[in-house]
Amino acid sequence: GESVGLHLPTLSVQEGDNSIINCAYSNSASDYFIWYKQESGKGPQFIIDIRSNMDKRQGQRVTVLLNKTVKHLSLQIAATQPGDSAVYFCAERSQGAGGTSYGKLTFGQGTILTVHP
Amino acid sequence: NAGVTQTPKFRVLKTGQSMTLLCAQDMNHEYMYWYRQDPGMGLRLIHYSVGEGTTAKGEVPDGYNVSRLKKQNFLLGLESAAPSQTSVYFCASSSRTSGRSVETPYFGPGTRLLVL
Repeated sequence: GESVGLHLPTLSVQEGDNSIINCAYSNSASDYFIWYKQESGKGPQFIIDIRSNMDKRQGQRVTVLLNKTVKHLSLQIAATQPGDSAVYFCAERSQGAGGTSYGKLTFGQGTILTVHP
Repeated sequence: NAGVTQTPKFRVLKTGQSMTLLCAQDMNHEYMYWYRQDPGMGLRLIHYSVGEGTTAKGEVPDGYNVSRLKKQNFLLGLESAAPSQTSVYFCASSSRTSGRSVETPYFGPGTRLLVL
């Protein structure tokens, strides 16, 4: 039968192109967002984060944009390289009681990015 | 620093067998977590710990137990494995910064578990 993994959104780009990976989050009270990269057979690796009081944050070759109005998060990767091929997850954190959330995150299912040389 | 390490990397169990997954972190993090990852389901929190000697249930705790006897270690136990527990298990840790927020969890490499 069809692998459930094939239901993940996919993005294929050519090496050197810019990539944009999108994520819709669910909780308007979420205050912190993270993008993770997961290569095959490895654990999620932190890429970049952003707090809800910001709408843009830049890292090395990556930019995260946050649109709270429509609860949308995007990750932009400049000059995409074959080594960027992976599954990319967004995660949102909601504040818990007393303003602490103990890092409990809600993860999206991910987007498969494939970069062709 | 090794970061977050997990043992074993891979294990096959028969239904009803028990096992313990080990997680260690050398970053002096207060918080530790166990997640499971299944195709199409994303990462789901099983149990977590906010400090040595404390544990709490996450989103999918049934069939699992945990212990945090030392700050650097977080153990996940399966008392009677079931095929539904076939998954990839990730341990993570994070640190409370000054103020009230907990920062980004760092993940281990994962343990692949197959229950027959």
